[in-house]
Amino acid sequence: GAGVSQSPSNKVTEKGKDVELRCDPISGHTALYWYRQSLGQGLEFLIYFQGNSAPDKSGLPSDRFSAERTGGSVSTLTIQRTQQEDSAVYLCASSLWLADNEQFFGPGTRLTVL
Amino acid sequence: RKEVEQDPGPFNVPEGATVAFNCTYSNSASQSFFWYRQDCRKEPKLLMSVYSSGNEDGRFTAQLNRASQYISLLIRDSKLSDSATYLCVVYDTNAGKSTFGDGTTLTVKP
Repeated sequence: GAGVSQSPSNKVTEKGKDVELRCDPISGHTALYWYRQSLGQGLEFLIYFQGNSAPDKSGLPSDRFSAERTGGSVSTLTIQRTQQEDSAVYLCASSLWLADNEQFFGPGTRLTVL
Repeated sequence: RKEVEQDPGPFNVPEGATVAFNCTYSNSASQSFFWYRQDCRKEPKLLMSVYSSGNEDGRFTAQLNRASQYISLLIRDSKLSDSATYLCVVYDTNAGKSTFGDGTTLTVKP
């Protein structure tokens, strides 16, 4: 079956522009997670959704970052007024339930802010 | 101090070697523990869950020590295909938060 998909796969933008990253989780998965990974670094947890709800947004790096999920499916991560330090790979994962063992990751969106 | 700490390596071992990775975590409220594998420029994939009783999957053995807040992964009879970065993951179910270590890089050489 289809796995987690993310779009775009690559995004190059200029400093100060807004970007929107999209994640399509595996159908039926109720939990969705966003991470970012800088070159050579581990994964930084950003936010999770249980259904359409994100109970804890404290992992988002700044108020320029926001995320939403609609219909219990697609999620978008929006970064406003991008900065060079936002450059990273943004990974989305989904799992059947919030406490499920296995998170399935998408291929990521590589964001480059010039 | 990071919430999840791993020896970054790199570990360079010959084929057939046994190699062990360690991971420590600081959040005593953590309930679930995992090892993920990440190949270069690819997304992470679950390798195995980690239980207090220890669990084995073929050449891989994972162990959890809750008292010491320590997780280990043992790989026996290393294969070239085992070359990857191994990520220790600690999950706080109440907070819904997964914390990944920065990973340990393994290179298995002929």
